[in-house]
Amino acid sequence: DTEVTQTPKHLVMGMTNKKSLKCEQHMGHRAMYWYKQKAKKPPELMFVYSYEKLSINESVPSRFSPECPNSSLLNLHLHALQPEDSALYLCASSQVTGTGVLTYEQYFGPGTRLTVT
Amino acid sequence: GENVEQHPSTLSVQEGDSAVIKCTYSDSASNYFPWYKQELGKRPQLIIDIRSNVGEKKDQRIAVTLNKTAKHFSLHITETQPEDSAVYFCAASPNTGNQFYFGTGTSLTVIP
Repeated sequence: DTEVTQTPKHLVMGMTNKKSLKCEQHMGHRAMYWYKQKAKKPPELMFVYSYEKLSINESVPSRFSPECPNSSLLNLHLHALQPEDSALYLCASSQVTGTGVLTYEQYFGPGTRLTVT
Repeated sequence: GENVEQHPSTLSVQEGDSAVIKCTYSDSASNYFPWYKQELGKRPQLIIDIRSNVGEKKDQRIAVTLNKTAKHFSLHITETQPEDSAVYFCAASPNTGNQFYFGTGTSLTVIP
């Protein structure tokens, strides 16, 4: 299996709702990522998990809460979002890199199109 | 941190012509340079990548060149086809972690 899957494909939520985005991969990758992407802009890194531990948090507001319950799953919990949070949320995975090791390619999921009303 | 610049932001070519997209990076520690193609409403897909120990890589109609001294790398698409129309992103990654730094994207339109 060489795919990253994401659910749901589309999500509409109000500013007071709580929802979660899910991501799954079965490629044995131990690094997983959340990106936010606005139309025709590059993906913006939000979080990186390495060996199920949060290794990078790009100063993301606390209304976004990531979780990595095991090596195959990655969640993004959403609460009290703002309309400007509407975007495509992409999950990606890769092998783990480290100092002295060549960087590995990232595989992206299809994304969740989030609309905050 | 790393800063990646990408040009042009939009590019229109006639079918069959070549397209070239250029990126520059700032961090000499970057050693991995992937190119992603993203069609409207789809995920970014890796189309080609190059590592810092290689100057050029080719895959059918797509090639990437890297000039480490000048800190720039380019994507070349020959014999363009309408299905090449998409947004293309370059990225650079240093050898210190899992982080990719993306360019701002190039919207390529191939006119039939």
